This record gives sequence, C-alpha cells and structure tokens, in this order.
Amino acid sequence: EADIYQTPRYLVIGTGKKITLECSQTMGHDKMYWYQQDPGMELHLIHYSYGVNSTEKGDLSSESTVSRIRTEHFPLTLESARPSHTSQYLCASSDDGRAFFGQGTRLTVV
Amino acid sequence: KNEVEQSPQNLTAQEGEFITINCSYSVGISALHWLQQHPGGGIVSLFMLSSGKKKHGRLIATINIQEKHSSLHITASHPRDSAVYICAVRSWEYGNKLVFGAGTILRVKS
Repeated sequence: EADIYQTPRYLVIGTGKKITLECSQTMGHDKMYWYQQDPGMELHLIHYSYGVNSTEKGDLSSESTVSRIRTEHFPLTLESARPSHTSQYLCASSDDGRAFFGQGTRLTVV
Repeated sequence: KNEVEQSPQNLTAQEGEFITINCSYSVGISALHWLQQHPGGGIVSLFMLSSGKKKHGRLIATINIQEKHSSLHITASHPRDSAVYICAVRSWEYGNKLVFGAGTILRVKS
C-alpha cells in the first residue's frame, strides 16, 4: 500500500489567508510532485522536486511556493489565498518504478 | 479487488508495433485520466476522458462508459514511449477523489 499522505483533505478558507498544504511520504522517494486540477479539467503539474533543496516550477503557472527541506516532506504554500486558488491539489511521489499519489486536498477560498 | 484494474502489468514491444493498454473500473466515475511516468520519474498527464475518444499525436484514448472500460493505444511505437502508464478515475463513490490503477510498465525495444 502506498504511503503518501496529504493534509488536510478539505479546507475552506477566507481570502487573504496564508495556507500550507502538507504532503509526506515514507517511501524514501527523491521525486515528488504537486498537481492542480480544476473540476472537469486535466491534471496540471505546478511544482516538482527531484530531491532535498531542489524545487522547480511545473507546466502550469502557480502563485504557490514549495519547499523540500526533508526527503519525506513537500509542503505547498499560498501566501495570500484568493478565490481563483479554489481547486483540488494532488501530491505524488515516485521512484523509477511507479508513481504514488496522495488522496488530494480540496481547497475552497471564499 | 481493486476498483481500477489495468492490463497488462508489463508489456514489451518492438519498435513500430501498435500497443494497447487496458483499464477497467468498477465504480461510478465522472472522468478518467491516463498518466505517463517516464523512467526518470517525471509524470505527465496524457488524457482526461469522460466519453468517446481523444487523440494526441500517436496516442489515442477511448472510453466506454457502459462497459466501464478505457483503452490507451500507441501507434508506431518508439523506444521513447517506454514508461509506466497509469489509469486513474475520479469517482463520486469515493467523494470525487482520484482512484489509481497499479500502472502498466511498457518497454519498447529498437
């Protein structure tokens, strides 16, 4: 069973608040990813990391930031949430064999 | 039994061959995704389907909602198509979260 966890599962927050979405994996994977998916739309890569202290922006421009201080932890932060940030955020990690995905965080900014 | 079953689990093909990867699911869905994970670990979203058929270059994805089945076809396969292909469904039976198949490991030999 995959050991990758996202918290919270659901979050409703007011405009202007700072939020951090947590993603942790216990598989020792170097590669981790954040995807964003709007309802009815495809998954879009917004950030990825190939190891500690390595982070890159993905294909879709995002106002979020990420950090990778520890192998197992890849948090995503929004400094000032806006209604346009309302979406589902999905975290994944991989080795050279296959990818594992978290349960996702459904974020609503009101 | 997994909610999303992929077949085959492993597939080796010769360059130029037509390849089919199958995905069957047992839950109600609002959308189905095909993802590609490269040998280096990078994950790419290939298709999102809710009905019918989509085509991008040499890749074709079809879905039959009544039969709860989707196929990913690769025409004129090439060694650079070697990757893990993952089927994922968004299911309202699971709170609209993504449910993933185990992946199909494809190797195309030249």
